[in-house]
Amino acid sequence: DQQVKQNSPSLSVQEGRISILNCDYTNSMFDYFLWYKKYPAEGPTFLISISSIKDKNEDGRFTVFLNKSAKHLSLHIVPSQPGDSAVYFCAASGISGGSNYKLTFGKGTLLTVNP
Amino acid sequence: GAGVSQTPSNKVTEKGKYVELRCDPISGHTALYWYRQSLGQGPEFLIYFQGTGAADDSGLPNDRFFAVRPEGSVSTLKIQRTERGDSAVYLCASSFKGGTEAFFGQGTRLTVV
Repeated sequence: DQQVKQNSPSLSVQEGRISILNCDYTNSMFDYFLWYKKYPAEGPTFLISISSIKDKNEDGRFTVFLNKSAKHLSLHIVPSQPGDSAVYFCAASGISGGSNYKLTFGKGTLLTVNP
Repeated sequence: GAGVSQTPSNKVTEKGKYVELRCDPISGHTALYWYRQSLGQGPEFLIYFQGTGAADDSGLPNDRFFAVRPEGSVSTLKIQRTERGDSAVYLCASSFKGGTEAFFGQGTRLTVV
């Protein structure tokens, strides 16, 4: 039973355009959400996070939006750069549930940014 | 070192053998985690240490898997009687304390033949 779902295995965008990566979750106990980026042969690297008390968090070219009623979040990258090409993982944890240390990951979306 | 270090990077072993995977966390990080990433999947939680003790080992798939962190720093994941289904990338992460941002190592790719 996948509690965090990334339904798009891959996404291809042109350099300079916006990349939108989507993530859905089913567990209502999740209240903290993160995006990790992973290059081949490297471990995941933290990118950006959002608490359930917010609906948006921005950090430079990266913005995460959270829609709690729809149990949906998205990562926007604008403008996209070729160096952004990687696998992006959505992850969630439950701070209020006492398991804030345990991340539940989606399967990832491979983003390819074409020059 | 500056980051989480995992050794070896790659390990090939025969079915039925015993393996140990090592993780050196970031200095000063009290929380340490092991995750397993199978092909085409996201990382899956295995175990969480706070200091020397395993605070949550609910993700370990069965009793062939065991992990230790005797001095609250380096951790070893031990797998007995390996099976082909154990083949995966084993990721270690550490954080300043439980629930704060986790930093991942590059992983150990285990292949059981």
